[in-house]
Amino acid sequence: KNQVEQSPQSLIILEGKNCTLQCNYTVSPFSNLRWYKQDTGRGPVSLTIMTFSENTKSNGRYTATLDADTKQSSLHITASQLSDSASYICVVSAVSGTASKLTFGTGTRLQVTL
Amino acid sequence: EPEVTQTPSHQVTQMGQEVILRCVPISNHLYFYWYRQILGQKVEFLVSFYNNEISEKSEIFDDQFSVERPDGSNFTLKIRSTKLEDSAMYFCASSESRGDTQYFGPGTRLTVL
Repeated sequence: KNQVEQSPQSLIILEGKNCTLQCNYTVSPFSNLRWYKQDTGRGPVSLTIMTFSENTKSNGRYTATLDADTKQSSLHITASQLSDSASYICVVSAVSGTASKLTFGTGTRLQVTL
Repeated sequence: EPEVTQTPSHQVTQMGQEVILRCVPISNHLYFYWYRQILGQKVEFLVSFYNNEISEKSEIFDDQFSVERPDGSNFTLKIRSTKLEDSAMYFCASSESRGDTQYFGPGTRLTVL
């Protein structure tokens, strides 16, 4: 069964600090891995997307890494801002036939405080 | 920037009633999806739709559920005989091609009383 596990479950950091979120997955056949940001009561918004051959991808203050051998990914947020407070969801895509099926992690709830 | 829209934003219904959740995907997208998120839980895949037919569905998507693209712009999810446990946020998403980024709508909060 395809699964995506994330840690920590929640995290509180001071504004301006950095943090790293972790994701482990068992999804087959692997297509790509995405990190989404989900504000409370809103739909997820894509931050990064990485395929099997990519190790690192950055999007502004967000940097995602992927180790396809160990099936692990991380999302590093630098110089955090209050607006970074949200849930960060690791999503792994499996493609078969005409479908692209996403398996979502439970998310890491990040709170940035003054 | 084009975006996925969903209506209504909040739907309250009585147990046993039928509801239709509506979505307007991004206009040039060909793949459409429905997901649900029960309060405090992770997002769960329901169904994917391409070329006017279901391409994949999860075990959650049983006979109680159906999807339709009634015209060139709308994509609907119908839930028949709603149950209390159907209460959740329902997200529609669309993508240009099969493996592309899926863009999510803002969601419809369904409350079954």
